[in-house]
Amino acid sequence: GNSVTQMEGPVTLSEEAFLTINCTYTATGYPSLFWYVQYPGEGLQLLLKATKADDKGSNKGFEATYRKETTSFHLEKGSVQVSDSAVYFCALSPSLAGGGNKLTFGTGTQLKVEL
Amino acid sequence: DAGVIQSPRHEVTEMGQEVTLRCKPISGHDYLFWYRQTMMRGLELLIYFNNNVPIDDSGMPEDRFSAKMPNASFSTLKIQPSEPRDSAVYFCASSRQTGELFFGEGSRLTVL
Repeated sequence: GNSVTQMEGPVTLSEEAFLTINCTYTATGYPSLFWYVQYPGEGLQLLLKATKADDKGSNKGFEATYRKETTSFHLEKGSVQVSDSAVYFCALSPSLAGGGNKLTFGTGTQLKVEL
Repeated sequence: DAGVIQSPRHEVTEMGQEVTLRCKPISGHDYLFWYRQTMMRGLELLIYFNNNVPIDDSGMPEDRFSAKMPNASFSTLKIQPSEPRDSAVYFCASSRQTGELFFGEGSRLTVL
């Protein structure tokens, strides 16, 4: 079956540090890949997505590239801010369209950014 | 746009009581999902609907759990009888056929 593996947290960084959160997946065919973010007390929000190999998703300074050869979708940001403190979830969908199908989520990685 | 609306936001109840969680999806979305989030198990998909019809309920933990979607703008998740191990945050989410999943703010359930 499909599965997503994320690095365990919490990850603690100083403001303006470089961020990488690793994500690898197992799936048949050509899944779509997503990063969702959950701020304290809120539901998950879509951060970025990529629907085919070598696509790069980007939003709010975050980036992730769909690497089929390494089955990875690592999340990166060049300079984190305190406001980026949240839990980040990697997810995949078996649909090329990426919507209307059930997502498989990773366990989430908590990020804490300190001044 | 109102977003996905869930109620109640917090529920504290005693073991054995019936719990009903409610969800109003975004208008025009034809998929609705119920997820459960716990520290131990992360995010688990319980059930999802397409055009008000349950498509996959393989994630529903046991017969104590049931979900309905009587119309396109309302869904319920019911637990009867509730147990302490059901304590979790329950999220409802909706989407179109193609497009992102939009989550509600969740219902935090505590069963004593």
